[in-house]
Amino acid sequence: QSVLTQPPSVSAAPGQTVTISCSGSNSNIGNNYVSWYQQFPGTAPKLLIYENHKRPSGIPDRLSGSKSGTSATLGITGLQTGDEADYYCGTWDTSLSAWVFGGGTKLTVL
Amino acid sequence: EVQLVESGGDLVQPGGSLRLSCAASGFPFNNYAMSWVRQAPGMGLEWVSTITDSGDNRYYADSVKGRFTISRDNPKNTLYLQMSSLRAEDTAVYYCAQTHGTTEFDPWGQGTLVTVSS
Repeated sequence: QSVLTQPPSVSAAPGQTVTISCSGSNSNIGNNYVSWYQQFPGTAPKLLIYENHKRPSGIPDRLSGSKSGTSATLGITGLQTGDEADYYCGTWDTSLSAWVFGGGTKLTVL
Repeated sequence: EVQLVESGGDLVQPGGSLRLSCAASGFPFNNYAMSWVRQAPGMGLEWVSTITDSGDNRYYADSVKGRFTISRDNPKNTLYLQMSSLRAEDTAVYYCAQTHGTTEFDPWGQGTLVTVSS
């Protein structure tokens, strides 16, 4: 059971918009930055969003991040088949003195 | 270009030991905290351990505390994870990652597979 809660799967058609939620508590999301990672099968995770909403260089502005209270959201607009992957949220948990991740969300582009 | 290359993964019997290495290049290694994150087959990401840039402070997940030791050799630009008393549930791909405070992991290495089985 992950400390952060994500939906196991989401799906949408090409060109559509999808959001992936990440729910936590005051000890983690509520008081720390959230980051998001994309992972294709058999490959290492890749940073998509850091400090709740910032994009590293090379990450398109089709991807966005936001945070409100103890929840965070990853948004992807103009879905492409190449966006099919697993997505993870992560943050520091102050009470646990540990990094915590969500269980991951599998995105399917129909 | 920042590069992280893990090595040392292997098949080991329960109760055995193993040392993983992560060779870093392309950035001032001694300026960054580093971490190990693992992923069991078909499962999600699990943080294992983080060491600060100087090596003075180390943090561990409860699941590995007392069995795993993280260390670094800054002149050699190398991160290590010494694993002992290994269990079947330690079977995973182990990734090393450059760690930016408590904000993000970026980038990640390609991972090394540890299999604990008799």
